Amino acid sequence: DAGITQSPRYKITETGRQVTLMCHQTWSHSYMFWYRQDLGHGLRLIYYSAAADITDKGEVPDGYVVSRSKTENFPLTLESATRSQTSVYFCASSLQGYGYTFGSGTRLTVV
Amino acid sequence: KQEVTQIPAALSVPEGENLVLNCSFTDSAIYNLQWFRQDPGKGLTSLLLIQSSQREQTSGRLNASLDKSSGRSTLYIAASQPGDSATYLCAVEAAGNKLTFGGGTRVLVKP
Repeated sequence: DAGITQSPRYKITETGRQVTLMCHQTWSHSYMFWYRQDLGHGLRLIYYSAAADITDKGEVPDGYVVSRSKTENFPLTLESATRSQTSVYFCASSLQGYGYTFGSGTRLTVV
Repeated sequence: KQEVTQIPAALSVPEGENLVLNCSFTDSAIYNLQWFRQDPGKGLTSLLLIQSSQREQTSGRLNASLDKSSGRSTLYIAASQPGDSATYLCAVEAAGNKLTFGGGTRVLVKP
């Protein structure tokens, strides 16, 4: 099906472990984004990408790494997970000027 | 830095009443404004996209207006239904194709 898919939907990991959240879109949108959503902070931009091999930091990038070797994929890696990274993570894609489409989210718990 | 504010934070109305949700932003240099709906534990669903050259957009019972000069947008939902209960998020797109979100308005429509 066409759209934007995130995996996994739910993840529990231990402090200090590396974890990768996956995001795949089928529209070939040039822009892709990662947001985290937390109570009291709303949605905050972690990283974004304007095209394959072009990425840039958002508002809260510390502790995260992204890559974009293919237009359709934009994985987000937590190199050494901390409890403060417990959150709901949303991936989004955009064709400039035509709005954003969001994935269903990944609920990550770091214990 | 762009700041987006949504007032009120929560709203409760009886079924059938019209809903009025407000969004304000500090920097009028935006490309577009997008309204989203979020159900508990779910992702973001796009409702309406208003491009900077437009004054309003309509979809069914939903109507959104945009006044760039005053930094305001209003989402109207006519004849509210219990199924309209959700959190509504306003987001503005500025330079770099990045979205800045408001904190949302949590709506409860009572049968």
